[in-house]
Amino acid sequence: DVKVTQSSRYLVKRTGEKVFLECVQDMDHENMFWYRQDPGLGLRLIYFSYDVKMKEKGDIPEGYSVSREKKERFSLILESASTNQTSMYLCASSSSSRAALLGYTFGSGTRLTVV
Amino acid sequence: QKEVEQNSGPLSVPEGAIASLNCTYSDRGSQSFFWYRQYSGKSPELIMFIYSNGDKEDGRFTAQLNKASQYVSLLIRDSQPSDSATYLCAVLASATNKLIFGTGTLLAVQP
Repeated sequence: DVKVTQSSRYLVKRTGEKVFLECVQDMDHENMFWYRQDPGLGLRLIYFSYDVKMKEKGDIPEGYSVSREKKERFSLILESASTNQTSMYLCASSSSSRAALLGYTFGSGTRLTVV
Repeated sequence: QKEVEQNSGPLSVPEGAIASLNCTYSDRGSQSFFWYRQYSGKSPELIMFIYSNGDKEDGRFTAQLNKASQYVSLLIRDSQPSDSATYLCAVLASATNKLIFGTGTLLAVQP
């Protein structure tokens, strides 16, 4: 069964901390994505990657960075956490050749609270 | 104009009724369309995809696509309280090959 695993289900961090959110997929997918989801705003794309060591900004990259050193792992980094980054963070992956038929597979999400 | 538009709801239907969820999109070149279900506090789960005009049925779910009108819908027959969730419409953008999501419609099925 296809799996996207996010390392933490719930996280509480302090303002100013550096936060790492990890995502691992076992489907040999080329594409990986990070979204945040807030009530009334839907899914907003933060960063995505189409290949190892490749990254592209999404719609709301400010305050975030990413790392993709291996094909299966895509990390989201909050350089200095702020309260407005309190949100549900969702990782997703897709196959370059089959996205049109299979869409994205999502991880279970990380609910981050910054205090 | 948003790229993918959905009525946020809530859409309230009685148990056993047909729930009709609608979505319009702006990219005329889009070829693939998806419906995701998201329970409260959980992540989106793919339930249907469609790429040809017309209807596609899977159990109690039917996806309908009309490319000329740029319109996608999801029908849920014999709605159950367990169908209560937010339903996200997603369109594969022709230029970027990325999924564009609507903000979702909250469905509430009343027992």
